[in-house]
Amino acid sequence: DAKTTQPNSMESNEEEPVHLPCNHSTISGTDYIHWYRQLPSQGPEYVIHGLTSNVNNRMASLAIAEDRKSSTLILHRATLRDAAVYYCILTPGGTSYGKLTFGQGTILTVHP
Amino acid sequence: DTEVTQTPKHLVMGMTNKKSLKCEQHMGHRAMYWYKQKAKKPPELMFVYSYEKLSINESVPSRFSPECPNSSLLNLHLHALQPEDSALYLCASSQVSGSSYEQYFGPGTRLTVT
Repeated sequence: DAKTTQPNSMESNEEEPVHLPCNHSTISGTDYIHWYRQLPSQGPEYVIHGLTSNVNNRMASLAIAEDRKSSTLILHRATLRDAAVYYCILTPGGTSYGKLTFGQGTILTVHP
Repeated sequence: DTEVTQTPKHLVMGMTNKKSLKCEQHMGHRAMYWYKQKAKKPPELMFVYSYEKLSINESVPSRFSPECPNSSLLNLHLHALQPEDSALYLCASSQVSGSSYEQYFGPGTRLTVT
């Protein structure tokens, strides 16, 4: 499976935007980029996914580099509830279900 | 209903005990998963069921025995566990087809083996 690299930790202030980077230089043409987050004492939660184009949903935006070797998860206005571990995961396309291989993720701390 | 429920929330068992973890979803998902998460580590995939059949076993020791009796229910039977098996056990479900593979996770069962 292709590997992702994320910073160990990041900090943000409440109500400010947060840009969480992810490098995936060995991504293959059919790999999807998924983001999940895990709040303290909870199971992981799906955030967003994309293949080539930038994506927006109610939780976040995903910006994918033109060469697809990196991506950025954007939280437009961080809240205290966004403090979590954020995982960037590649999943191969063409399979009938998703095998998620979690890396170490980025611990996001949000300051009031 | 987008909820995955897991019971029990906490479980303490001795190394000679037999216990089971239960996971349930009513979203019509036909893929279900077991993950193991040690403290301060990311989740690790253990098993995947697709259409109630075991599709992936990530070389998990036989003391962990999964079972999918129907499309809504997933069990993990535990027998002769070791203290190092103490962890958070997470269940998830997803659609089988499509590009998203969005997995819905339960809150987990925190297992302590004494």
